[in-house]
Amino acid sequence: DSGVTQTPKHLITATGQRVTLRCSPRSGDLSVYWYQQSLDQGLQFLIQYYNGEERAKGNILERFSAQQFPDLHSELNLSSLELGDSALYFCASSVLGRYTDTQYFGPGTRLTVL
Amino acid sequence: AQSVTQLGSHVSVSEGALVLLRCNYSSSVPPYLFWYVQYPNQGLQLLLKYTTGATLVKGINGFEAEFKKSETSFHLTKPSAHMSDAAEYFCAVSLDTGRRALTFGSGTRLQVQP
Repeated sequence: DSGVTQTPKHLITATGQRVTLRCSPRSGDLSVYWYQQSLDQGLQFLIQYYNGEERAKGNILERFSAQQFPDLHSELNLSSLELGDSALYFCASSVLGRYTDTQYFGPGTRLTVL
Repeated sequence: AQSVTQLGSHVSVSEGALVLLRCNYSSSVPPYLFWYVQYPNQGLQLLLKYTTGATLVKGINGFEAEFKKSETSFHLTKPSAHMSDAAEYFCAVSLDTGRRALTFGSGTRLQVQP
């Protein structure tokens, strides 16, 4: 158990819909990262937050957005869903968001878009 | 931009045999290198990481990796495979740039035959 929690574990929805994935970082960690794991794209970095502010963006679609709240939990919002958005979405957290930090991964949310 | 190449998407070894999983990186600045393991239906767990100093890094579960700058490699080894080592292994690089997230390789699935 990494100490990072993600809910829900599974999510099944239809094309065009909007979903919200939630992540609670390890106690004391200020930085949260979101990654997408799919069969064709592998593991890709989406976005990073540090203490409530966006720090870095990766291959995140405009239909996707995220935020980190004052209690440091984070939410990833996916809208206008397409079949290709079906993937495993991981949240990771680290202490300060430095490149030297170890990132601890949650168990993931498996999103299926039908 | 940094990149990671993992040679061999599938590796099969016999129980008790040497495990060697290959990782090469491309980076214009000194990298920090990580190996993560993913068991079925689980998140990623850190095996080991190289930051600075000793180039031979020991991790959990008997794994180790050696950073070879001249070869731009960070291969993962274990002297004797156990059935419980069957999983997917990801090599990742992190750099001191604006984006401090991990860039992952495509992964290597390790099978351990009895």
